Amino acid sequence: KNEVEQSPQNLTAQEGEFITINCSYSVGISALHWLQQHPGGGIVSLFMLSSGKKKHGRLIATINIQEKHSSLHITASHPRDSAVYICAARSYNTDKLIFGTGTRLQVFP
Amino acid sequence: EAGVTQFPSHSVIEKGQTVTLRCDPISGHDNLYWYRRVMGKEIKFLLHFVKESKQDESGMPNNRFLAERTGGTYSTLKVQPAELEDSGVYFCASSRERSYEQYFGPGTRLTVT
Repeated sequence: KNEVEQSPQNLTAQEGEFITINCSYSVGISALHWLQQHPGGGIVSLFMLSSGKKKHGRLIATINIQEKHSSLHITASHPRDSAVYICAARSYNTDKLIFGTGTRLQVFP
Repeated sequence: EAGVTQFPSHSVIEKGQTVTLRCDPISGHDNLYWYRRVMGKEIKFLLHFVKESKQDESGMPNNRFLAERTGGTYSTLKVQPAELEDSGVYFCASSRERSYEQYFGPGTRLTVT
């Protein structure tokens, strides 16, 4: 079992739908990162959070430290949101990033 | 401010050959990380430099991999000799401080045939 688990692995949605991607981790963390990779593109950091909630445009990331769970929400999804979304936990002990396998999101018009 | 750059973007080599990947971090970023994603798996940590020193190389798979960061600027990752299982995408990232956000490069896709 991976130390960082994401669900779902694949997700399709119609434009305008509300999207939720989940991330659970089993290690102690100092921060949780959400990353985005468009097809053929590089990795972009969306959020780094250690508590509570952060919002940037239509993207919202939340984390519950007690439950070791984080969610990434996309409101009013758009085809340009189609990408792989990756959750990565920064280990409290080693400071290394431990990655989930990613969630492939496709948003259709 | 220029982002993290990596060279080459794609390399195809035969088993047994040597390949050197290069990463140029964002100027002023002391921390440089190497990661890789092999076929269908999650991205895995390889190693972490602070300036020119290897802070953590616990993710390096074996002694066929050698990373350097002379002068604390750009870094190279050499694979010698390359094996089929080394195929994947190698990412580099940099950050100003250890606890800060990491900025990723576009990756180098390595194909060993």
